[in-house]
Amino acid sequence: AQSVTQLGSHVSVSEGALVLLRCNYSSSVPPYLFWYVQYPNQGLQLLLKYTTGATLVKGINGFEAEFKKSETSFHLTKPSAHMSDAAEYFCACYSTGNQFYFGTGTSLTVIP
Amino acid sequence: EAEVAQSPRYKITEKSQAVAFWCDPISGHATLYWYRQILGQGPELLVQFQDESVVDDSQLPKDRFSAERLKGVDSTLKIQPAELGDSAMYLCASSFPREGDPYEQYFGPGTRLTVT
Repeated sequence: AQSVTQLGSHVSVSEGALVLLRCNYSSSVPPYLFWYVQYPNQGLQLLLKYTTGATLVKGINGFEAEFKKSETSFHLTKPSAHMSDAAEYFCACYSTGNQFYFGTGTSLTVIP
Repeated sequence: EAEVAQSPRYKITEKSQAVAFWCDPISGHATLYWYRQILGQGPELLVQFQDESVVDDSQLPKDRFSAERLKGVDSTLKIQPAELGDSAMYLCASSFPREGDPYEQYFGPGTRLTVT
């Protein structure tokens, strides 16, 4: 069985501050890991993904995430928050023979 | 840029009525997914198609929900009869290639269903 846990359903940061959104996964086999962003009343947009290879993954809009097998984590970061980053963020996990599992989401608020 | 199309974007229906949602995936994408997203939660897979075949419908409430992808292209998700608890966003996604790596899923804008 696999699952995804996102710590913190709501995160607030000041504009220009570091963004850190946490994601831990549970999987019996090496997983593929994804971060998606969702704006109100829209579908999900892929930010970045980890499949194999380099554990530090860079995505769109200045976001990056690091796969840490020892910690079963895939935290999302961005050095400097922008007002346009305010949205809902979802971590997802997939491993062969299973299905995609999404976390419950983290709502990011950026304070001007 | 190719996109996943969904219609309608919003639907209000009374409980016990039938409702249907349509999805047109990105051309060439063999895998199609239907998700339900309840407000404040992550998407939950309802059904997954590979071409016209159902790969996974283990979470689909089959007593009231049905899904089809007759020609392996567009797809329809139906609820009959609708219940108050079905109020949610219904998302369609597609992906490529056919098997092996899942790659990323491309999501449509969703259909917001409200059951009164």
